[in-house]
Amino acid sequence: ETGVTQSPTHLIKTRGQQVTLRCSSQSGHNTVSWYQQALGQGPQFIFQYYREEENGRGNFPPRFSGLQFPNYSSELNVNALELDDSALYLCASSLLDRFYGYTFGSGTRLTVV
Amino acid sequence: SQQGEEDPQALSIQEGENATMNCSYKTSINNLQWYRQNSGRGLVHLILIRSNEREKHSGRLRVTLDTSKKSSSLLITASRAADTASYFCATERSYGGGTSYGKLTFGQGTILTVHP
Repeated sequence: ETGVTQSPTHLIKTRGQQVTLRCSSQSGHNTVSWYQQALGQGPQFIFQYYREEENGRGNFPPRFSGLQFPNYSSELNVNALELDDSALYLCASSLLDRFYGYTFGSGTRLTVV
Repeated sequence: SQQGEEDPQALSIQEGENATMNCSYKTSINNLQWYRQNSGRGLVHLILIRSNEREKHSGRLRVTLDTSKKSSSLLITASRAADTASYFCATERSYGGGTSYGKLTFGQGTILTVHP
């Protein structure tokens, strides 16, 4: 149903470790955004990439970083994991030039212990 | 921080009834969008209304936007048990200049429960 796929679905990491989450955008979409959603909250914008360059960033520290690749895939990297990083991480893609809303993936549930 | 505030936080209705959710926001916007989320999974885009539009329909959904009051409402008519989900409003502002669109700022959502 959705054109955006994320992997893995669930992940458990230890505090201080590093993690890489992956997203495959809908074909043809040139923009990808990442969001963090804590339990019971709305998603919070982490950053957006447009044509492989960062196009905006929310209030997240530099240990949150990303990449977008020419094949529409992207990565979210988080270094020095903290307990508060436990959340659902959502990837969303869209066509920036002809905007009709974002297509979200099903998310990666990250638990930091 | 959250820009939008949804009201009510939770809504419980019977199948066939209408459900109305409200959203307020704080800053000027390019557009406002409504999303549905089932059981903590991915978000599904429902409808987008631009700042120069006042009302929009899509199937059983009706969205209004009042930019003078910085508020929006989502009406789901003839609700079904399958409509049970969390509903979020999200606003988008221009970010970075030019014609680029920017980040979505979400509210905390309304949990809708439709009883069969």
